[in-house]
Amino acid sequence: QSVLTQPASVSGSPGQSITISCTGTSSDVGGYKYVSWYQQNPGKAPKLMIYDVSNRPSGVSNRFSGSKSGNTASLTISGLQAEDEADYYCSSYTSSSTWVFGGGTKLTVL
Amino acid sequence: EVQLVESGGGLVQPGGSLRLSCAASGFPFSEHYMDWVRQAPGKGLEWVGRTRNKATSYTTEYAASVRGRFTISRDDSKNSLYLLMNSLKIEDTAVYYCARAGSSGWSLDYWGQGTLVTVSS
Repeated sequence: QSVLTQPASVSGSPGQSITISCTGTSSDVGGYKYVSWYQQNPGKAPKLMIYDVSNRPSGVSNRFSGSKSGNTASLTISGLQAEDEADYYCSSYTSSSTWVFGGGTKLTVL
Repeated sequence: EVQLVESGGGLVQPGGSLRLSCAASGFPFSEHYMDWVRQAPGKGLEWVGRTRNKATSYTTEYAASVRGRFTISRDDSKNSLYLLMNSLKIEDTAVYYCARAGSSGWSLDYWGQGTLVTVSS
């Protein structure tokens, strides 16, 4: 089962913007608009932050945005806040009718 | 309020079996696809599988790592989701989450708190 490639860690200072990339193939990220992003705090369940590449669920801050170009999807967090510190995972539908997650990115707010 | 509560985790020997349950409330359970996702200690998320709803004949999909060993089922009359795990391996040790697929079916919009399964001799 392939794993989407994410950077292991990213960091930024409060107020800055950061972007987390998620690279797959034409059989997953590049082939479908069904990329999601999840935030996970230690010991907690994941929380949906972005769905269908760029849509935000109700209640999620508009500081979170998503995009996709080719086989790479991206999550951007603007106006970074201390509460954004968490692990972030991307996920994509695949040509095998399954779903695959990225390896996860630990965001540190300096 | 949407709630998903997993149960049934515990310690099991390699080669053994275990059945997890997920009790759902606060939404029309029968209408939604439901997934299982797991997370090994200190590791990332891994999609396990999905059961669709009655309208799509309760079809299922599985990750290659569990196909043939795990079976997902549901009982809409009890608002419950199940994961039957057979031939368990040490590498199946993880927290298992049940999650609800959103209306479009392409993302997981609500998650339970998870139940820990430990496979060890």
